[in-house]
Amino acid sequence: GAVVSQHPSWVICKSGTSVKIECRSLDFQATTMFWYRQFPKQSLMLMATSNEGSKATYEQGVEKDKFLINHASLTLSTLTVTSAHPEDSSFYICSAMGTSGIEQYFGPGTRLTVT
Amino acid sequence: GEDVEQSLFLSVREGDSSVINCTYTDSSSTYLYWYKQEPGAGLQLLTYIFSNMDMKQDQRLTVLLNKKDKHLSLRIADTQTGDSAIYFCAEKLGTALIFGKGTTLSVSS
Repeated sequence: GAVVSQHPSWVICKSGTSVKIECRSLDFQATTMFWYRQFPKQSLMLMATSNEGSKATYEQGVEKDKFLINHASLTLSTLTVTSAHPEDSSFYICSAMGTSGIEQYFGPGTRLTVT
Repeated sequence: GEDVEQSLFLSVREGDSSVINCTYTDSSSTYLYWYKQEPGAGLQLLTYIFSNMDMKQDQRLTVLLNKKDKHLSLRIADTQTGDSAIYFCAEKLGTALIFGKGTTLSVSS
């Protein structure tokens, strides 16, 4: 099956710093990737849709200047949390649309803790 | 309703069948999905069904779709302790997936 990786798997950073999370599709090309945020014991909240070579589409209420998304190639999308605050602490999960446009494959997630 | 609804918990004994139910929101959803999430991990795609199908079976998994009632179910036959996880249903609207809050399945031996 299709594999999506994320790096790092967990990160601790200080308030005010920026953190970059990478999402890679390892064995397929993904023109569309998605970034989700998941709070403990809750569902996934779609943050943005990332299309290769174009600007990301952000969901309502998600600050695009705080959560910078870059989809520079067909296998890599990055999410940068800028000027992180403790309330940004969360589990961030990316997914990539398979070539059929039907399946969506998820990465293992990145646990961000802002101190 | 506006949300994808799922019951929060299900507890079964090993060897029994598990049935997880979901009610989705939009009759124009093209595909409906079931994902499994183990603690601290991402989501694993288990199966999906096209909206014009009523049923799909894949080994121990059976998906039933009632489009009229916007109801989706996942049946796991011969449930094992390794099936303990959170199960999310999701509907596809455009390119995005809209998820339910997840059902925690607990399997006791």
